[in-house]
Amino acid sequence: GQSLEQPSEVTAVEGAIVQINCTYQTSGFYGLSWYQQHDGGAPTFLSYNGLDGLEETGRFSSFLSRSDSYGYLLLQELQMKDSASYFCAVRAGGATNKLIFGTGTLLAVQP
Amino acid sequence: NAGVMQNPRHLVRRRGQEARLRCSPMKGHSHVYWYRQLPEEGLKFMVYLQKENIIDESGMPKERFSAEFPKEGPSILRIQQVVRGDSAAYFCASSGGMDSYEQYFGPGTRLTVT
Repeated sequence: GQSLEQPSEVTAVEGAIVQINCTYQTSGFYGLSWYQQHDGGAPTFLSYNGLDGLEETGRFSSFLSRSDSYGYLLLQELQMKDSASYFCAVRAGGATNKLIFGTGTLLAVQP
Repeated sequence: NAGVMQNPRHLVRRRGQEARLRCSPMKGHSHVYWYRQLPEEGLKFMVYLQKENIIDESGMPKERFSAEFPKEGPSILRIQQVVRGDSAAYFCASSGGMDSYEQYFGPGTRLTVT
């Protein structure tokens, strides 16, 4: 089967750093993406790793280790507006470009 | 606004009726994806279409569900004879091509079956 595991909830305070982990088991793999979703609204793209290593985009960074089937999203200098659900998603590749989403992590940022 | 558009945003249907969900991709995009999200869950892939072609329908239920993306006009996700279990948020996304890793999502259609 195909599965992506994430912690269900994470709580942190403003200004802190938080890491959201994702482990995956899929039949195909082209890369790992991260999406943010506020209150059931449109998911928005945050980051993508096609190769091992760290990708940095402003306050957000994402890491991938293909040998460990593991990645994480790092959010720095947390702000209240970062309170949202975060999903990792595997890009299946091959003859399709579909995304296989994880279960999602609800991040609560407290003052 | 050249983003992904979906309509209607909310749709209420009685059991046994048909639901039609529409998606207009971002300007310049010709690849469309449909995902379903149940409350408190992640998004589940349903179908991937290019203009006039279904590329991958591995996530589509075998019965009652169909999708199309005609040469002209929006992509349509059609659910026939809806049941209460079809109640969910249906999101459409688009990308510029099969090599694109970023998918742009629309605001979703919330389907409620009474």
